[in-house]
Amino acid sequence: AQKITQTQPGMFVQEKEAVTLDCTYDTSDPSYGLFWYKQPSSGEMIFLIYQGSYDQQNATEGRYSLNFQKARKSANLVISASQLGDSAMYFCAMREDTGNQFYFGTGTSLTVIP
Amino acid sequence: DAGVTQSPTHLIKTRGQQVTLRCSPKSGHDTVSWYQQALGQGPQFIFQYYEEEERQRGNFPDRFSGHQFPNYSSELNVNALLLGDSALYLCASSLGDRGRGDTQYFGPGTRLTVL
Repeated sequence: AQKITQTQPGMFVQEKEAVTLDCTYDTSDPSYGLFWYKQPSSGEMIFLIYQGSYDQQNATEGRYSLNFQKARKSANLVISASQLGDSAMYFCAMREDTGNQFYFGTGTSLTVIP
Repeated sequence: DAGVTQSPTHLIKTRGQQVTLRCSPKSGHDTVSWYQQALGQGPQFIFQYYEEEERQRGNFPDRFSGHQFPNYSSELNVNALLLGDSALYLCASSLGDRGRGDTQYFGPGTRLTVL
């Protein structure tokens, strides 16, 4: 079974609007971390936000917030006030505390329209 | 504060050859992980090095090997290259102390093309 599922291959959003990128995960470990990365066309993966499985509050980092719904095993990324520079691939990832590897989804391509 | 660096940026090899990719971790980081990212896919974990030893390995054949040096830098070696090894190879560094989920910070990658 896939550890991380991203069902939106591509998304479009109007500049200055908010957008939600979906991510569901699968694990039986009680302790894990969830991450979102941005990958521009240059290739470098840029860390955006982290959510621990025991964190009571949803993580926020500037214009990025993570909508964490543990019972549904979802960790959606919300980008507020989209900017043209937000156009990129976005990857959701998970690390189970019993291991060291990160599991990545297949990514969502976000295009911000002026 | 220097981030993760990788060399070379691009590489072209032919089938059967061997290749070595290099990575220097972010300042203060002691753990290095390597990933392979095929076109249109998410990164796939190859292995992780900590204290100069391979701590965990993904589902990759023995043709993929690595090394970590005392200064925490790392090399990824791939022997007997196949066409399917063409990909972006990403190095990531982290602190091995599980703080903030052991967040991994990535380098710019090395794009390997096998002809």
